[in-house]
This record gives sequence, structure tokens and C-alpha cells, in this order.
Amino acid sequence: RKEVEQDPGPFNVPEGATVAFNCTYSNSASQSFFWYRQDCRKEPKLLMSVYSSGNEDGRFTAQLNRASQYISLLIRDSKLSDSATYLCVVNGDYKLSFGAGTTVTVRA
Amino acid sequence: ETGVTQTPRHLVMGMTNKKSLKCEQHLGHNAMYWYKQSAKKPLELMFVYNFKEQTENNSVPSRFSPECPNSSHLFLHLHTLQPEDSALYLCASSQDLSSGSEQFFGPGTRLTVL
Repeated sequence: RKEVEQDPGPFNVPEGATVAFNCTYSNSASQSFFWYRQDCRKEPKLLMSVYSSGNEDGRFTAQLNRASQYISLLIRDSKLSDSATYLCVVNGDYKLSFGAGTTVTVRA
Repeated sequence: ETGVTQTPRHLVMGMTNKKSLKCEQHLGHNAMYWYKQSAKKPLELMFVYNFKEQTENNSVPSRFSPECPNSSHLFLHLHTLQPEDSALYLCASSQDLSSGSEQFFGPGTRLTVL
């Protein structure tokens, strides 16, 4: 079983739409959770950390469900600039485990 | 220069060549990492250095040889690579090895092995 699994998508949504996707992780001892964003042919960059109580950063909302071992990302009012691959990242001890990414394409 | 830099950005090499990838971080971080990213696959952690000491070798073939002369610089020496080693090689750094420590990535070296 993969350490971190994501629906690869792509999710094709119109501008202004809401899009949400999950990722699941296998290590129940995982301590930290993140969403990274990777634009085409660029390096990953931290989008947001995911906290147990759930957290928002502008149009982005992240949730963590430890019991079911998944995290989610919701993007409201999608912008063209949100088109990217979103990487789910889980930290067990000090090693980050990456999902293969979920591709989101926002169309005008 | 700020952040994490990598050179070269693109590299094409034959299977018998020897080349080196260079990474430099200007963030004052203590931990540095090498990752491999192949198309449609998750990032694979290759090596971890903390205070220039190697703390992780994730079963990487010996044709990849890391070197960390100080906390700011990290090299990946390549020799007798295979075509399946073609990938994007990403360097990253973090303040330390704590679980919540954000990793900052360099732009990567896109390697093609002929």
C-alpha cells in the first residue's frame, strides 16, 4: 500500500467554482500534514499546513480526519491561477511522504 | 541569491559520463535533502543531511553519491547512470528535522540519461 494516495484527477472546473479533493495516508503515527502546490515544471511550494481542528487560508480550507486517516483540501471561488498540481504531504518522523498529486485545471 | 538554488537546471548525459548536481541554500537551514521526481510519480526521498551528516540513505543505488561539505551546500555525484534515472532531481532544505519543519525546494535539475 502506498504511504500517501491521491486521486490524480484532473479536476477541470470553471472559474468561480468550488473544488475539493482528499488524500489518504497509511501511517497512523503520522504527526504533521501539509498541502504543497507544484506548478508545471516548477518546484513544490508549501500551500498550507493542516491542523487537527481544520484551518483556512483565504479561499483554501484544509481538514484532517485522523480516525479515517485522510486530509482534504477545498478551494472556493477558483481562479485561473489555482491551476496546478496539489501534493498531499505527510510527515511521520522527519521524513516527508508525498502523494503523486492531484491536478486541478481552472478554465475561464 | 535567496532561497534554494540548483545548478545545472538541465543536464543531458550518456551512461558512461560522470557529472555532479549542485544545491545551495541561503536560508540558514541545518537540514538538506535530495529527492527524485519521475513523471506521474510521487517525490522519492533519496538522501537526508542534518548539520552536514547523512542521516538517511533511502536505498539509493551507489551510482548516486551525495556530498555535503557544509550546511549550505549539497552535491549529488552521478556516474554510470541508466536511462531510467532520467527525472527531475530536487534539492530541499529545512530549519531542522522536526516534523513540522517546512521544506523549501530548489527549482530542480532536469536530468536526461541517454
